[in-house]
Amino acid sequence: GNSVTQMEGPVTLSEEAFLTINCTYTATGYPSLFWYVQYPGEGLQLLLKATKADDKGSNKGFEATYRKETTSFHLEKGSVQVSDSAVYFCALSDLNTGNQFYFGTGTSLTVIP
Amino acid sequence: GAGVSQSPSNKVTEKGKDVELRCDPISGHTALYWYRQSLGQGLEFLIYFQGNSAPDKSGLPSDRFSAERTGGSVSTLTIQRTQQEDSAVYLCASSAYTSVTGELFFGEGSRLTVL
Repeated sequence: GNSVTQMEGPVTLSEEAFLTINCTYTATGYPSLFWYVQYPGEGLQLLLKATKADDKGSNKGFEATYRKETTSFHLEKGSVQVSDSAVYFCALSDLNTGNQFYFGTGTSLTVIP
Repeated sequence: GAGVSQSPSNKVTEKGKDVELRCDPISGHTALYWYRQSLGQGLEFLIYFQGNSAPDKSGLPSDRFSAERTGGSVSTLTIQRTQQEDSAVYLCASSAYTSVTGELFFGEGSRLTVL
C-alpha cells in the first residue's frame, strides 16, 4: 500500500542554519509528492510539489527532489529564518488509488534567533 | 467559493451530545477529505469522497462517526454521543481529481471541544 514516513521532531535550529527534513515513501504506482506547511495558528498550505522522478520542487528557499531510486523526497533549506517555524508534512498522491492523499506525521520546526 | 469553507470554526459541546461539522469545498472539486488533528499531533485520515464513487471510510475511528456528501459538493461530518477524546481540530480538504498534480486545498478547520 501507500505510505509516507517522515523524520520525527521536534527540530530546533538557530537562524541561518541548514535544514533537512527526511521523507521516504511507499507507493504502488507513480505518485506525485508534496510538502505542506502549517504555520502557527493557520491552516495547511502547499509548500512545494514534484510530479515525477528527478523533478525538483522549490518555493520560499525550500527545495525537495523526487528520488525514485531511494523513494525519498527530503526537504532542504540552506538558511532558515525564524519565520520558517512551523509544522511540515510530507505527502503523496497516487493515481492508482484514486489520487487519494497520504500524509506523514509532521515534523515541527522551531528556529531560534 | 474562493476556498474551502468550514463551519463552525469553534464548537464546544457536552459529552454525549451529537455534533455536525460542515465543509463547503472549492467549486468543481470532486475529491473531498476529512482529517482530524489532535493537539500536537499529525493528520489522522477519516474519510475520502471521490465523485460518485463509494467513499473510503477506512479512517473513521468508530461507528459514532459518519459523513455524507450531498450532490457531490457540501459534506457534513457527524459525531454522535461525543466523548472527550473526540476533542480535536477537524480539517476538510478538496482537490480536483482530474489533475495528476492535484493540489489539496485545506479549510481553516473546525475546533471541537468536548467537556
